[in-house]
Amino acid sequence: EPEVTQTPSHQVTQMGQEVILRCVPISNHLYFYWYRQILGQKVEFLVSFYNNEISEKSEIFDDQFSVERPDGSNFTLKIRSTKLEDSAMYFCASKGGAGNTIYFGEGSWLTVV
Amino acid sequence: LAKTTQPISMDSYEGQEVNITCSHNNIATNDYITWYQQFPSQGPRFIIQGYKTKVTNEVASLFIPADRKSSTLSLPRVSLSDTAVYYCLVGEWNQGGKLIFGQGTELSVKP
Repeated sequence: EPEVTQTPSHQVTQMGQEVILRCVPISNHLYFYWYRQILGQKVEFLVSFYNNEISEKSEIFDDQFSVERPDGSNFTLKIRSTKLEDSAMYFCASKGGAGNTIYFGEGSWLTVV
Repeated sequence: LAKTTQPISMDSYEGQEVNITCSHNNIATNDYITWYQQFPSQGPRFIIQGYKTKVTNEVASLFIPADRKSSTLSLPRVSLSDTAVYYCLVGEWNQGGKLIFGQGTELSVKP
């Protein structure tokens, strides 16, 4: 079964450092997403991406965040200058052109110290 | 996006059938109902999706009454490994719209 893969599975970084989280969406999917989940809280939408541009973003997705699809397979989330409150599990997700099912990766756990 | 209401938590025992009901009174005509399962420190996993009546797959059934203002996820004969958080989501995602997660239902299966 095709799946969304994410790397790294866990990253520890110092406050103020830049972090790039990587995702390989399901092949042939057209819509891409990043979500995050702070420990013990609900899953929160960050951003959606389609046709090489951001479709929608939440209030969380401020100027410190950016997304990119540098080639035909990877989808990245960059946090320019991490803060302690950025510590969370970050999930990448993708959806095909037809149908309604969004598939999630297993997440990248980011710890900012 | 339709707002959903589901119980915060439920307890069950191994081998029992578990039914989790979700209310979505303001569901729109084009909205689908989708359920996800999430284990701790893992990504949400798609379980089942439906529009009306009943849908069944290898892991669950989804019952949707005619007015579509609620839906019930049915897990037959749960095991300890079904202990997880279950999310009910309602929306029209044909064109790539986002999913909005609520708090979900924390199901605890006991031996």
